[in-house]
Order: sequence, then structure tokens, then C-alpha cells
Amino acid sequence: DTGVSQDPRHKITKRGQNVTFRCDPISEHNRLYWYRQTLGQGPEFLTYFQNEAQLEKSRLLSDRFSAERPKGSFSTLEIQRTEQGDSAMYLCASSFSQMMNTEAFFGQGTRLTVV
Amino acid sequence: DQQVKQNSPSLSVQEGRISILNCDYTNSMFDYFLWYKKYPAEGPTFLISISSIKDKNEDGRFTVFLNKSAKHLSLHIVPSQPGDSAVYFCAAIYTGRRALTFGSGTRLQVQP
Repeated sequence: DTGVSQDPRHKITKRGQNVTFRCDPISEHNRLYWYRQTLGQGPEFLTYFQNEAQLEKSRLLSDRFSAERPKGSFSTLEIQRTEQGDSAMYLCASSFSQMMNTEAFFGQGTRLTVV
Repeated sequence: DQQVKQNSPSLSVQEGRISILNCDYTNSMFDYFLWYKKYPAEGPTFLISISSIKDKNEDGRFTVFLNKSAKHLSLHIVPSQPGDSAVYFCAAIYTGRRALTFGSGTRLQVQP
């Protein structure tokens, strides 16, 4: 296992279309996070899973966004009816909860462009 | 409300000299701080961290200093190398919450 894997790396979609991204965390990590990063900004938290339970969602996560982590393994982030403002880098990260305050390991991200 | 601030968008230093990257925070609940490095087209990579019970943590060429009273932390890189050229993000977290709060980043350029 070489790290957090995200697919696809790039996605161009027309406004109004739905898109889905996948994240495969490091295998022994039970925590999984989604962040969004726009140009010139740091990553902003979207949502967090511990195993299969979604424990926290940011106010940034509108009702057009939904995330799942079936069986506590990989996760998907779906955006429905995409808008141009959704264009960003979507980052997935994972960590291991048995140790306090361990760092999260990030994937390479999925860059979404809505045209 | 930006709880973690990196006020310098960019920094340029000569190879071999010291790089100092600064970060300020406003939330007194933060008790753990991290620095991430990001190269273009890659995700952030963890660099070094510090708990609020310490004022210094060192790892090779990288040292992080924490001044709780000033709500300020800094990352020192000595000596700086061209491969250190990247965007550096300061992040913070507090016990009971699992999401990192990031600053906006500082782009470091180390000139050969």
C-alpha cells in the first residue's frame, strides 16, 4: 500500500452534470477526510468518516454534495448539478485513530473543472 | 473567520540560508499544530508537528517553534535547499475535533 489513492486525477464536466470521485485510503487507516482547495487557499474541510460512519460535515457541504464510505473502506464524493463555483481540487486524506493527533496523509487530489 | 493565518504569500531565500515561515492562529482551543508541504499537482505532505505542551520540535533541518501566548508558530528550515521550494501550509487541530484547519499557505522559493 503506497498511500492514499484518488480517482480520477482530473475531471472536466459541464454545468449541471453529476460527478463522482473515489478515494482509497491507506489500508489500516480508519479515518477518512474530504477537503476542498481553491486557488490561493489552503484545504477546507468538507466531511469526515470514522470507519463507515460519517461523523462530521462542514457547512460547505451543501445538499448537492454527498459522501459515502461503505464498509469503512474506500469513499466516494458525489456532486449533483455541478456549478462553476464547484471548480476546485478535491483532496482525500486518511489517518489512524488509535494514536492521538496523528497527521493525516493526503492523496494527490482530483481537480474538477466545471465549464 | 480565518482561524489560521499565514500572512506572507511568498518567501524567497538563497540556498544554504535559513527560511522562516510564520503562522498565527486565533482559536485558543487548538492544541496541536502541523506543517504540510505541497508540490504542484500533488497532495499536501506532512512535514513536522508540535503539541501545545511544547515550545519547540526539531526534525533534521526542520524546527517548529510555538509561542502560545502570542498564538504564533514558525517553521525554520536550515539550511534551505532548492528542493524545499514548495507551498507550505500551517494547520491546527484541537482535541475532540478531527478536522484540520489550514492557513492559506506560503510559497517558498529557494534560489540556487
